[in-house]
Amino acid sequence: GAVVSQHPSWVICKSGTSVKIECRSLDFQATTMFWYRQFPKQSLMLMATSNEGSKATYEQGVEKDKFLINHASLTLSTLTVTSAHPEDSSFYICSATWTGTGNEKLFFGSGTQLSVL
Amino acid sequence: DAKTTQPNSMESNEEEPVHLPCNHSTISGTDYIHWYRQLPSQGPEYVIHGLTSNVNNRMASLAIAEDRKSSTLILHRATLRDAAVYYCILRGGSNYKLTFGKGTLLTVNP
Repeated sequence: GAVVSQHPSWVICKSGTSVKIECRSLDFQATTMFWYRQFPKQSLMLMATSNEGSKATYEQGVEKDKFLINHASLTLSTLTVTSAHPEDSSFYICSATWTGTGNEKLFFGSGTQLSVL
Repeated sequence: DAKTTQPNSMESNEEEPVHLPCNHSTISGTDYIHWYRQLPSQGPEYVIHGLTSNVNNRMASLAIAEDRKSSTLILHRATLRDAAVYYCILRGGSNYKLTFGKGTLLTVNP
């Protein structure tokens, strides 16, 4: 089956630094990728949708200058948390699909646990 | 966005069937019903999806009501590895995104 690889699986950083998370579709071309954030004991919150070769679409309340998304190829999307602060500590998850319709499943990465000190 | 309603939690015994309900009374004609599950500290995993007819795969079965306003995910024989949060999500039409609700936390007792 299709696999989405997310890296790193966990990262600890100092406040004020930037952290980059990679999401790769290993055996299919992902025209659309989604980035989610999940706080403890809560559901996944969609942060943004990225389409290959175009700017990401951010959900309401998500700062696009803080969470930079790049989807430069059909197999790679990156999320950069800029100037991270402790409140950005969360579980970040990416997912990928090859069309934008409803009749296909999404494949999810294993998630990245970010801890900002 | 069309919303879904699920029980917060359910409990089952190992080796017994589990029926996880989902209500989606505002579903549109082009919405697919998707089910995903999330094990602790992992990303969600696809379980099954369907449009109108019941669906079966190696993981589960999906029973869709005739009016499509509700559906039931059926795990035929629950195992301890099935303990997870199960999400019922509508996807399709103008809303191709997956918007997660709170899901149902399934506990499987040995």
